[in-house]
Amino acid sequence: DTGVSQDPRHKITKRGQNVTFRCDPISEHNRLYWYRQTLGQGPEFLTYFQNEAQLEKSRLLSDRFSAERPKGSFSTLEIQRTEQGDSAMYLCASSLDAGGLGYGYTFGSGTRLTVV
Amino acid sequence: AQKVTQAQTEISVVEKEDVTLDCVYETRDTTYYLFWYKQPPSGELVFLIRRNSFDEQNEISGRYSWNFQKSTSSFNFTITASQVVDSAVYFCALSGGGGANSKLTFGKGITLSVRP
Repeated sequence: DTGVSQDPRHKITKRGQNVTFRCDPISEHNRLYWYRQTLGQGPEFLTYFQNEAQLEKSRLLSDRFSAERPKGSFSTLEIQRTEQGDSAMYLCASSLDAGGLGYGYTFGSGTRLTVV
Repeated sequence: AQKVTQAQTEISVVEKEDVTLDCVYETRDTTYYLFWYKQPPSGELVFLIRRNSFDEQNEISGRYSWNFQKSTSSFNFTITASQVVDSAVYFCALSGGGGANSKLTFGKGITLSVRP
């Protein structure tokens, strides 16, 4: 297992365009999380999935953002009509929920989005 | 609401010096988990330690040690005999309620520079 993979590593887009990021979690992990990290700040929680069910969404996740995890495997995060304020590192993490004991909360390398 | 405060923003030391990174947290949960992550320039968050609220024993792992004190709501991290490879941003994080697999609340991070 090579850990949590995110694609692409970098994305530059023009304001108003739509972008989609992909996250492939560690294969046996049933939970998948998205975070956003802006320059000089710690990561902020956006949303998470337990298998294919999206169980929680942050207020940071405006209606321009949508996340999916079809079949409980990989996940996609789409941002529609991007704005310059969306420029950030988008981090994905996965873990194995086994009675709340919290195994292996692992982060990917992130996708750095720049909106010009 | 949960909150993590890392009052130090930047620390610079000379190689072989000891350095302590401070973390203060706020939570109303009786069961919670504390984490430290390292973020090197490559951007990936590297897991260092997880500690649950019922275990106040200090932990040592090689040159790293952690001091958890519930009485002061602190979870400090000490690097002994620092090395240049320790240069990175270090984040303290907190999860609660849903267990160690719930969303993490991060501090703003401490940038550690170790000079040769």
